Amino acid sequence: AQTVTQSQPEMSVQEAETVTLSCTYDTSESDYYLFWYKQPPSRQMILVIRQEAYKQQNATENRFSVNFQKAAKSFSLKISDSQLGDAAMYFCAYRSLREGSNYKLTFGKGTLLTVNP
Amino acid sequence: DADVTQTPRNRITKTGKRIMLECSQTKGHDRMYWYRQDPGLGLRLIYYSFDVKDINKGEISDGYSVSRQAQAKFSLSLESAIPNQTALYFCATSDFGYEQYFGPGTRLTVT
Repeated sequence: AQTVTQSQPEMSVQEAETVTLSCTYDTSESDYYLFWYKQPPSRQMILVIRQEAYKQQNATENRFSVNFQKAAKSFSLKISDSQLGDAAMYFCAYRSLREGSNYKLTFGKGTLLTVNP
Repeated sequence: DADVTQTPRNRITKTGKRIMLECSQTKGHDRMYWYRQDPGLGLRLIYYSFDVKDINKGEISDGYSVSRQAQAKFSLSLESAIPNQTALYFCATSDFGYEQYFGPGTRLTVT
């Protein structure tokens, strides 16, 4: 079974600065998806960014980018020019592409990000 | 209108009561999921369904049951609620693509 580990329960960053959230995962599969979800105080789960394992290029969405290291099974999220609205719980998630898998997401325990003005 | 809706948004119930959480979606997706979120544990899968006739247990299905009434509706029931089922519950949907689309969540408190 796959596992996802977020080793930082809490992080803080100053507004306009850059912060990196860590995620590692364990899998024996070669094809999969990785995601970062954001959960603000409204508790809605919002997809921030996704990465397909077969792609070597790191995904980028505006101020959000990832550092995907497949061999190291590492998938960190970098938030540039942090804004107050980035304050939220961030979850790393894994999805298998194995035939017969249930397409479920396996989540890490989350990292609570605080943005200081 | 939201694509994935959950009712109720908040619920307080007593130990031993039966309670149903409902999920509806307008995305036309076949796949639906129920997750539970506990502080410090992330989200864990309770049940999932790939179509009306296909229901499967997730990793923490004990104490829960589900019903897929239609493609668009997937309900989660607690037959006899207990305090350790106090949590935030999410419904999600997906198609063959990458993303799962989450509802707004139901906060359930069992006293």
